[in-house]
Amino acid sequence: EIVLTQSPGTLSLSPGERATLSCRASQSVSRSDLAWYQQKPGQAPRLLIYGASSRATGIPDRFSGSGSGTDFTLTISRLEPEDFAVYYCQQYGSSPIFTFGPGTKVDIK
Amino acid sequence: QVQLQESGPGLVKPSQTLSLTCTVSGGSISSGSYYWSWTRQPAGKGLEWIGRFYTTGSTNYNPSLKSRITISVDTSKNQFSLKLSSVTAADTAVYYCTRDCNGDSCYYAMDVWGQGTTVTVSS
Repeated sequence: EIVLTQSPGTLSLSPGERATLSCRASQSVSRSDLAWYQQKPGQAPRLLIYGASSRATGIPDRFSGSGSGTDFTLTISRLEPEDFAVYYCQQYGSSPIFTFGPGTKVDIK
Repeated sequence: QVQLQESGPGLVKPSQTLSLTCTVSGGSISSGSYYWSWTRQPAGKGLEWIGRFYTTGSTNYNPSLKSRITISVDTSKNQFSLKLSSVTAADTAVYYCTRDCNGDSCYYAMDVWGQGTTVTVSS
């Protein structure tokens, strides 16, 4: 089973700042198998990035994903008030089919 | 636009079976372009994938839950269901149903989520 680790656990930033979130896998992950989700309190997660770097439909271009192998990054270029949330990375594998990282909370400084 | 809606009892007694249904609207559950999954989230914690099915009838389950899970589909109602047996307090969570891409439009990500339904296991 591939284990995903996310860092930092919490990121305290101000609106307008750049956010860099890390997702590290215990084994190499194909780029096509890595996704990022945003979850706000009381809401379901929302797909942001699939295939490590492709934005999902309707996702603003301030969100970008990068990385390969075991290290992946989600970057929010300039934080908007609505971006303060928890972010999860997810990988598609063999058993179990899907695993999620523990999440990074981006909160207002 | 495809929408998913979970439904089922909000309270289940320990040792009983949790049963939830996901109703799909705006698209056919029989589309070969997608898998259909259940994922859960205990309060204040992270996400755990439970299992999924494909229109061919094939299923995949999380090994940690496999012995207790059954996922089935009713194509006539455009619904799929989750049964989780022998529940304990550890199964208390928000349960989400999702549509999962099948390597095409969004690779293997979960692109549509239901709003979630809270299930509490308690006597």
